[in-house]
Amino acid sequence: DGGITQSPKYLFRKEGQNVTLSCEQNLNHDAMYWYRQDPGQGLRLIYYSQIVNDFQKGDIAEGYSVSREKKESFPLTVTSAQKNPTAFYLCASSISTIYGYTFGSGTRLTVV
Amino acid sequence: AQSVSQHNHHVILSEAASLELGCNYSYGGTVNLFWYVQYPGQHLQLLLKYFSGDPLVKGIKGFEAEFIKSKFSFNLRKPSVQWSDTAEYFCAVNGGSQGNLIFGKGTKLSVKP
Repeated sequence: DGGITQSPKYLFRKEGQNVTLSCEQNLNHDAMYWYRQDPGQGLRLIYYSQIVNDFQKGDIAEGYSVSREKKESFPLTVTSAQKNPTAFYLCASSISTIYGYTFGSGTRLTVV
Repeated sequence: AQSVSQHNHHVILSEAASLELGCNYSYGGTVNLFWYVQYPGQHLQLLLKYFSGDPLVKGIKGFEAEFIKSKFSFNLRKPSVQWSDTAEYFCAVNGGSQGNLIFGKGTKLSVKP
């Protein structure tokens, strides 16, 4: 079945460590997105990529980095510079935004 | 900049009550509009979407939404809710040159059995 796979589902890290969240899709979608979801704040865009080897900052990119070396993969690194990294992270992809996005099941990151 | 407003943060209803969740957006051009649902512990799923044509859009699980261009609104409705509709609902809009979806802050719906 086609879809988006995010791993791991739960992730615990110590403060000051970088951590990388995986997002893989087999939908042949060109565009991929990372969102952060916090209670009462909805979904906020971190980074997006419309094509391989190209990506743009979203609204809250500070403290995050991404790469897009393959069409299927769009990993997100949460760096030690991110002041409040504990959150639920959602990856999405689309063939065209007029059709909406397909979302992965998310990764809940807890930094202690 | 585009924005999406969902007026209700948390709605509590009894089973069989009617539902209407408000969504307003700020963008003057052509828009595509979406409602997503997130059931507890699950990923976001598309409920329905509007591109053009009939402003009354029907989605899955008995949900519908009406696009009223003059009011910049896209409210979600369901005539009779069930306990299984307990979830968080997000309105989203796509418009303008950037093309990314802009999401509202979500409305949490709790349905009492």
